[in-house]
Amino acid sequence: EPEVTQTPSHQVTQMGQEVILRCVPISNHLYFYWYRQILGQKVEFLVSFYNNEISEKSEIFDDQFSVERPDGSNFTLKIRSTKLEDSAMYFCASRTLGTDTQYFGPGTRLTVL
Amino acid sequence: DQQVKQNSPSLSVQEGRISILNCDYTNSMFDYFLWYKKYPAEGPTFLISISSIKDKNEDGRFTVFLNKSAKHLSLHIVPSQPGDSAVYFCVGNAGNMLTFGGGTRLMVKP
Repeated sequence: EPEVTQTPSHQVTQMGQEVILRCVPISNHLYFYWYRQILGQKVEFLVSFYNNEISEKSEIFDDQFSVERPDGSNFTLKIRSTKLEDSAMYFCASRTLGTDTQYFGPGTRLTVL
Repeated sequence: DQQVKQNSPSLSVQEGRISILNCDYTNSMFDYFLWYKKYPAEGPTFLISISSIKDKNEDGRFTVFLNKSAKHLSLHIVPSQPGDSAVYFCVGNAGNMLTFGGGTRLMVKP
């Protein structure tokens, strides 16, 4: 069964460094998403992406964040200058046309020291 | 921001019995609701969904009920199995964005 994959599973970085989290969505899906879950808090929407552009973003998704689909398979989330409060699980999700169901990857745990 | 609220952080049920997980929402713009389950160190896994124009959807052991006037959903699992032990998230969909509840940890005892 096709699934969303994410790499790395765990990323440790120093405050102020740039990180790139990578996702490979399900191959025939057209809509892509990033969510995050800070420890002990709810899963929160960050951004949605369709047709090579951002379609929605939350107030969390400020200028420090960017997304890109550099090729036909990868979808990346970049945080330019990480802060301690960026430590969280980051989940990528994708869905196909004609359905509202989003399928999630296993997540990347980001730890900012 | 409590657009989706799951008031029970945990629920314990005996194997073979019914599990009922409840969820309340406030956002009238939700047009679709989903339930996801999550095991530790994994991403949320889609379980079942319901359109806002329906009041019930069934898939095997899982049934979701929607009471739109009360802004309330429930997920019924019957019979419950030990492998159902996980965190269950009630999720509302509006405008291409999912809004998660806080989750209910279900423990099914053998």
